Amino acid sequence: HSALTQPASVSGSPGQSTTISCTGTSSDVGGYNFVSWYQQHPGKAPKLIIYDVSNRPPGVSNRFSGSKSGNTASLTISGLQAEDEADYYCKSYTSNNTRYVVFGGGTKVTVL
Amino acid sequence: EVQMEESGGGLIQPGGSLRLSCSTSGFPFRGYRMNWVRQAPGKGLEWVSYISSSGSTKHYADSVKGRFTISRDNAKNSLYLQMNSLRTDDTAVYYCARELEYGGPFDDWGQGTLVTVST
Repeated sequence: HSALTQPASVSGSPGQSTTISCTGTSSDVGGYNFVSWYQQHPGKAPKLIIYDVSNRPPGVSNRFSGSKSGNTASLTISGLQAEDEADYYCKSYTSNNTRYVVFGGGTKVTVL
Repeated sequence: EVQMEESGGGLIQPGGSLRLSCSTSGFPFRGYRMNWVRQAPGKGLEWVSYISSSGSTKHYADSVKGRFTISRDNAKNSLYLQMNSLRTDDTAVYYCARELEYGGPFDDWGQGTLVTVST
């Protein structure tokens, strides 16, 4: 049971856009702008692609964008490419005193 | 270039202990907060533990509290995770991850070390 809820899978054709949601509560996603997103290819370490809701680290494609509304954050991948096929995880700081940060359960993106 | 390399994983019986290490280079280790994150086979990411840059503040996930201890040696640019009373559900790849700001993003990760708890 993950603290943040993500869809298990999404798919899209090359060139299309797809959006992954990440739903939490006012104690995490809704209460802070410390939402980040990670891309993980099979057998590899996670890679930071979005931080502080909507910022991209240097070197990350501008096809990745992030946003937040209320208790739900979103990651949008525009112009899908074969290399975008991977697992994506959201993460948020939480004020829940038994935790520090929480991850979503992960979303598998398939490029058709 | 930032480099982080975990070591110390392996096969261990339930109830046993292991100490993981994360050796770093290419950045001022003593200035960064650090974390351990694990991933069970075929499962998602699970945050395990946090330590402040000085080592004075630590946080643990409920699932490991009382069994795992995070520590660091800033003189050796290294992070550690002492794991005691290991259970089969501790089986996972364990990653060390560098944190940019308190509660903020993990901007660099090691490649991970596999811990298998089994008879």
